[in-house]
Amino acid sequence: GQQVMQIPQYQHVQEGEDFTTYCNSSTTLSNIQWYKQRPGGHPVFLIQLVKSGEVKKQKRLTFQFGEAKKNSSLHITATQTTDVGTYFCAGRWAGGYQKVTFGIGTKLQVIP
Amino acid sequence: DAGVTQSPTHLIKTRGQQVTLRCSPKSGHDTVSWYQQALGQGPQFIFQYYEEEERQRGNFPDRFSGHQFPNYSSELNVNALLLGDSALYLCASSLGPGLNTEAFFGQGTRLTVV
Repeated sequence: GQQVMQIPQYQHVQEGEDFTTYCNSSTTLSNIQWYKQRPGGHPVFLIQLVKSGEVKKQKRLTFQFGEAKKNSSLHITATQTTDVGTYFCAGRWAGGYQKVTFGIGTKLQVIP
Repeated sequence: DAGVTQSPTHLIKTRGQQVTLRCSPKSGHDTVSWYQQALGQGPQFIFQYYEEEERQRGNFPDRFSGHQFPNYSSELNVNALLLGDSALYLCASSLGPGLNTEAFFGQGTRLTVV
């Protein structure tokens, strides 16, 4: 079946350090979405990437979609304690409509 | 503008029982998808409803069924509950079932099966 592999599963960083999480699909994606889930909360949509090689920025967050549309990354510059949470990528394939397949998530801990 | 609302927020059921979870989509949205999120895992797609019909289904047994009403709200029913059904059940709504639409999640219903 179609799967999205996400690494690392856990990441502890010192406040101010950078953080990156990666997602990979064995088959070409139609698009990929990124979500953040705070402890005890629900996933909150961050961004959607559709085009090959697309790069989008939201303040300290940079999202990339690979040229082959099989991988994606989320990079946070100079982490803050408010960045704590689990970051999920969610991939969609042609014909899958709203069937979103989530990665396992990367749980980010920021040490003050 | 109300977001996605789910009820109840928490629920405890006994193995073998049946449960119904409810979801009201964000105002203006007509598509509802349901997800199961086990502890420490990403959400797993159960099914999607659009125009009162099940449009897509994930790898869940027939014990999981749903319904969408004319006002776009939706229910998720689970029969013959198993201990392994304990999870956070998330509802997500969107405008249309298209590939590039943004989904908004509700707070979820925490189901515990004992």
